[in-house]
Amino acid sequence: AQSVTQLGSHVSVSEGALVLLRCNYSSSVPPYLFWYVQYPNQGLQLLLKYTSAATLVKGINGFEAEFKKSETSFHLTKPSAHMSDAAEYFCAVSDHDSSASKIIFGSGTRLSIRP
Amino acid sequence: DGGITQSPKYLFRKEGQNVTLSCEQNLNHDAMYWYRQDPGQGLRLIYYSQIVNDFQKGDIAEGYSVSREKKESFPLTVTSAQKNPTAFYLCASIRGTEAFFGQGTRLTVV
Repeated sequence: AQSVTQLGSHVSVSEGALVLLRCNYSSSVPPYLFWYVQYPNQGLQLLLKYTSAATLVKGINGFEAEFKKSETSFHLTKPSAHMSDAAEYFCAVSDHDSSASKIIFGSGTRLSIRP
Repeated sequence: DGGITQSPKYLFRKEGQNVTLSCEQNLNHDAMYWYRQDPGQGLRLIYYSQIVNDFQKGDIAEGYSVSREKKESFPLTVTSAQKNPTAFYLCASIRGTEAFFGQGTRLTVV
């Protein structure tokens, strides 16, 4: 079975600073990996996805993530944080092991931005 | 616009009552899913359906039931057997490997 682990339930950075949210995955087959963002009392919105093409994936709102097979990681970064980036972020992996297509989510990282 | 519609946004239930959460989609997706979200626990899969008239239990199906009589609709019933139903519930449809989410229903037991 596949799984993802998000390191750090809460990350706080200053406005304008680098954002780094960590995600490691476990998979016996080449995975599909995703980052989603959730604003308070809202559903999840797809930020970006990796589907075995380019290892550096660019998403919306200036975010990007790099797939590193040797490290089993898919960390999310943004060069300069903005106040509007404050939200909860979820890393996810698509489950290819079963006959049903399922997406497995990490426990989430809450990003706070200091003025 | 196409999307996933969940209703109501907020729902209050008395202990011992069943309650049904609505999820409708006009994306023409075959697969639909229900997740439960609790603080610090991410999203946990309750039930999913790959096709009309068929559905499977997820990781935390106890105390919940679903139906899939139409492609567009996948309602979730929280029964009195669910011991701790207060949570945020998210419905999603999946095309290929990408999930599209509704805005969620916050259920509170009073």
